[in-house]
Amino acid sequence: QSALTQPRSVSGSPGQSVTISCTGTTSDVGRYDYVSWYQQHPGKAPKRVIHDVSERPSGVPDRFSGSKSGNTASLTISGLQAEDEADYYCCSYAGRYTLVFGGGTKLTVL
Amino acid sequence: EVQLVESGGGLVQPGGSLRLSCAASGFTFSSYEMNWVRQAPGKGLEWVSYISDSGSATHYADSMKGRFTISRDNAKNFLYLQMNSLRAEDTAVYYCAKDSGGWSLDWGQGTLVTVSS
Repeated sequence: QSALTQPRSVSGSPGQSVTISCTGTTSDVGRYDYVSWYQQHPGKAPKRVIHDVSERPSGVPDRFSGSKSGNTASLTISGLQAEDEADYYCCSYAGRYTLVFGGGTKLTVL
Repeated sequence: EVQLVESGGGLVQPGGSLRLSCAASGFTFSSYEMNWVRQAPGKGLEWVSYISDSGSATHYADSMKGRFTISRDNAKNFLYLQMNSLRAEDTAVYYCAKDSGGWSLDWGQGTLVTVSS
């Protein structure tokens, strides 16, 4: 159950786009289309922003999009806004009723 | 609206035990699989345990096997996590999380467990 690999930090200016990568293995990200992404503001609980690789829950702006290629999933946030500054975590189903998370990426809006 | 409210956290000595509870409302609790996820101070998220909708199937992260037990009471809409033989490295905020399809999660606000002498 090794953690998925995410960059520790990314940054962008308001209005720009940023992409956060999430690299797993053929046992998790590469095998299942069950990748989700979570946004976490300081002191708050995580909030789901993407599920099933690219699906957005109701109420999540369409500035958030997800994709996957091979063992790597990606979260793209376009038209960056100040309120997007947060930690972002990817998560994948890893078989046998287990989940694995990425180490988290801190997004800074410059 | 889905609501998950955790309780039962606190300070416990190494080797001690603690039982966390999660009160669920706003959805048909007995129809959904549930999980516990934890987050050590300043660290990332770590999946802890899963339980099926009926409670008949349970699964754990390797480091929790044999020490933690997940259970549920579908009549009372409660999820539980019994934690035994606690270690300093178990110090974390513990989140109750509802499976919302595709192995994605909706989260409670968390309860802090501190293991220290």
